Amino acid sequence: NAGVTQTPKFRVLKTGQSMTLLCAQDMNHEYMYWYRQDPGMGLRLIHYSVGEGTTAKGEVPDGYNVSRLKKQNFLLGLESAAPSQTSVYFCASSYGETPAYEQYFGPGTRLTVT
Amino acid sequence: LAKTTQPISMDSYEGQEVNITCSHNNIATNDYITWYQQFPSQGPRFIIQGYKTKVTNEVASLFIPADRKSSTLSLPRVSLSDTAVYYCLVGDRRDDKIIFGKGTRLHILP
Repeated sequence: NAGVTQTPKFRVLKTGQSMTLLCAQDMNHEYMYWYRQDPGMGLRLIHYSVGEGTTAKGEVPDGYNVSRLKKQNFLLGLESAAPSQTSVYFCASSYGETPAYEQYFGPGTRLTVT
Repeated sequence: LAKTTQPISMDSYEGQEVNITCSHNNIATNDYITWYQQFPSQGPRFIIQGYKTKVTNEVASLFIPADRKSSTLSLPRVSLSDTAVYYCLVGDRRDDKIIFGKGTRLHILP
């Protein structure tokens, strides 16, 4: 199993450009999450999904949109990138009795917005 | 979601046992205590979870006193590769999201 994979690994955008980050998991997990991590900071939850076709807002949802059309994929979109969105983005998935607390993370996407 | 307090950073030496304590005074009856480890340039990794007393796995031990208002992650005989950030999380198993704090930055010295 590949676990949780993220595409791309690195990306540089200009202010105002758009892009989509792809997260895929092959563990048949119900729950999926998108976080961002700024230097020296903990992770902050952007959006999450508790099942196919459902999404919900996290701590810092502004400027991002998500979709969960297939159970194994969770897409994070930036419609108009801003320098404040420069960060490392992590995707995670989980299942089980304590899904929020036993998450499997991807390797991250490093995004720079100039 | 219960608030947690843990040291910002700790230093230790190779071969020593390291204990990281987390305070969670307002822990609720249904809350579990979970620890994650994050190496530089990687996503966090779940390492251990417990409800009360002691839990041990191949990576660490988790000690939880009877009042459950704190917990201690114990790493036996650390090596340089244990240098990482360790996050303490507390919450109900029914929660569908969690809040990561800044964690404890553990630096192992040779």
